[in-house]
Amino acid sequence: EVQLLQSGGGLVLPGGSLRLSCGASGFSFSQYAMSWVRQAPGKGLEWVSTITASGDNIYYSDSVRGRSTISRDNSKNTLYLQMNSLRAEDTATYYCGKAWGAISKYIDNWGQGTLVTVSS
Amino acid sequence: DIQMTQSPSSLSASVGDKVTITCRASQGINIYLAWFQQKPGKAPRSLIYATSTLQSGVPSRFSGSGSGTDFTLTIDSLQPEDFATYSCQQYNTYPPTFGPGTKVEVK
Repeated sequence: EVQLLQSGGGLVLPGGSLRLSCGASGFSFSQYAMSWVRQAPGKGLEWVSTITASGDNIYYSDSVRGRSTISRDNSKNTLYLQMNSLRAEDTATYYCGKAWGAISKYIDNWGQGTLVTVSS
Repeated sequence: DIQMTQSPSSLSASVGDKVTITCRASQGINIYLAWFQQKPGKAPRSLIYATSTLQSGVPSRFSGSGSGTDFTLTIDSLQPEDFATYSCQQYNTYPPTFGPGTKVEVK
């Protein structure tokens, strides 16, 4: 069974930093692309970033590019999202997701979500 | 970016009803359209990918169709556990974009 266990959310001051983690089990982590998707309170889903299985290709939304870094450690079966220069509009529940394939953008399994609140 | 719209934004239905939700892309996306179900406070659940392929474990009362820019999610014989918000997503090109969601409520 695919499991994605997220950690790292919380309350952070504007301008602060946070690192989200997503531990994977139940599948061959190194063979699948992984993504982050967020959802602001009461709003729809918004894609944030994708990293291919090998880590060679990385994509970001315009809203986080230059402030966030997606990475993966295939030896630890873990996905990360380092978020810097956080703004109030980054407040959201962040979900990690396993892609359907090595380079796919389609998420077939989701983490439980972690809430990031940016507020003074 | 490809814009995704959905209609209706919400609907009221009863158990046993047939429900149809429409999703439209601002430009052609081939077959790269997915549908997700989400309940309050929960993570999304992947239902359908490649327009019409059911994710493993998804009941057969769910179906998807369409091509190009216009797509449909149909739920035959709505069940109590189906009351939720449904969102479409195009994954043909970066950035992948989601529709705003359709809330299916109890009539």
